[in-house]
Amino acid sequence: AQSVTQPDIHITVSEGASLELRCNYSYGATPYLFWYVQSPGQGLQLLLKYFSGDTLVQGIKGFEAEFKRSQSSFNLRKPSVHWSDAAEYFCAVGAYTGGFKTIFGAGTRLFVKA
Amino acid sequence: GAVVSQHPSRVICKSGTSVKIECRSLDFQATTMFWYRQFPKQSLMLMATSNEGSKATYEQGVEKDKFLINHASLTLSTLTVTSAHPEDSSFYICSASGTSGGRDTQYFGPGTRLTVL
Repeated sequence: AQSVTQPDIHITVSEGASLELRCNYSYGATPYLFWYVQSPGQGLQLLLKYFSGDTLVQGIKGFEAEFKRSQSSFNLRKPSVHWSDAAEYFCAVGAYTGGFKTIFGAGTRLFVKA
Repeated sequence: GAVVSQHPSRVICKSGTSVKIECRSLDFQATTMFWYRQFPKQSLMLMATSNEGSKATYEQGVEKDKFLINHASLTLSTLTVTSAHPEDSSFYICSASGTSGGRDTQYFGPGTRLTVL
């Protein structure tokens, strides 16, 4: 079965600074990898996804993520954080295990300070 | 993009009553729908997966007699929390995948906050 680890429960960055959120996955084959963002009181919004091909994936809102098979990682990055980026970020891994199933990491809460 | 709605967005009920939550795909046919539960400041826990016209597949530890799932059409799935108790209070989120974006992409509803008194 697949699993996802997000080592950082919360991260604080200054507005304008760069951001990297860590995600490690466990799965026997090449997984489907996702990053979602959840703002307070809001539903989940897909930032980006990786299925195959180029390991550097561009997403919405200026986010990107890089799939590194050797490290079983799919870290999310943004070069310059805006105050509106403060939210909860979830890494997720999907796989076909008798039907497509997505498992979420515990999430990383991002705080942005002025 | 694909839109998934949930109704109600918030519900408060008395202990022992049943509550039904609807999940609708508004602009695509959802061949598969998923129900998640999210506790405060925690991640989403998959409860069950349902394919249209079939019985739902429940994750280990989820009581299928307590959380009744119906996926009778390609645009509607319902989750009924039967005989709700305070410990069932949570944020319930549905997602759908199907004809929009491919089978591997899930579109999430905004969630339903259930409070059981």
